[in-house]
Amino acid sequence: DVKVTQSSRYLVKRTGEKVFLECVQDMDHENMFWYRQDPGLGLRLIYFSYDVKMKEKGDIPEGYSVSREKKERFSLILESASTNQTSMYLCASSAGTANFGYTFGSGTRLTVV
Amino acid sequence: ELKVEQNPLFLSMQEGKNYTIYCNYSTTSDRLYWYRQDPGKSLESLFVLLSNGAVKQEGRLMASLDTKARLSTLHITAAVHDLSATYFCAVDEDQGGSEKLVFGKGTKLTVNP
Repeated sequence: DVKVTQSSRYLVKRTGEKVFLECVQDMDHENMFWYRQDPGLGLRLIYFSYDVKMKEKGDIPEGYSVSREKKERFSLILESASTNQTSMYLCASSAGTANFGYTFGSGTRLTVV
Repeated sequence: ELKVEQNPLFLSMQEGKNYTIYCNYSTTSDRLYWYRQDPGKSLESLFVLLSNGAVKQEGRLMASLDTKARLSTLHITAAVHDLSATYFCAVDEDQGGSEKLVFGKGTKLTVNP
């Protein structure tokens, strides 16, 4: 069964900490994405990557960075966590052929205190 | 900029009734996806619609796509409690085939006994 695995289901971090959210897929997908989901705002794209070492900004990249050193792993980094980054973070991957859409990870609920 | 609008955002219905969720989008695309999200969980793929006139059915749910009207519908037949969830439509804004999805805000469906 194909999978997108997010390393943590729940995280609590302090304001100002550097936070790493990890995402690994085992489907040999080219494309990987990071979204955040907030009530009333839906899913908003933070960053995405179409290839190893490649990254592109989404709609709300401020306060975030990403790393894709290997095809299967896409990391989201909060350089200095703030309370307004408390959210559900969803990682997704896709083959890029349009036939299947995205496969999502189980999500990481991050609370910044 | 592609915009995706779903309506209604909230839907409360009785078991056994029929209803339709609408997904409108603002720019040309012939690739549309429907996802389901249960509370506290991630998104699960329901339907992939890749051409004008595409229709897919799974159990009590049927999705269709009219690319000329820029409209997709998700029709619920004889609703049951297990269908209670949030349903998202998403449209691929990258016509080059790399898949970059823009999501609607979701429709929260509650099916009451």
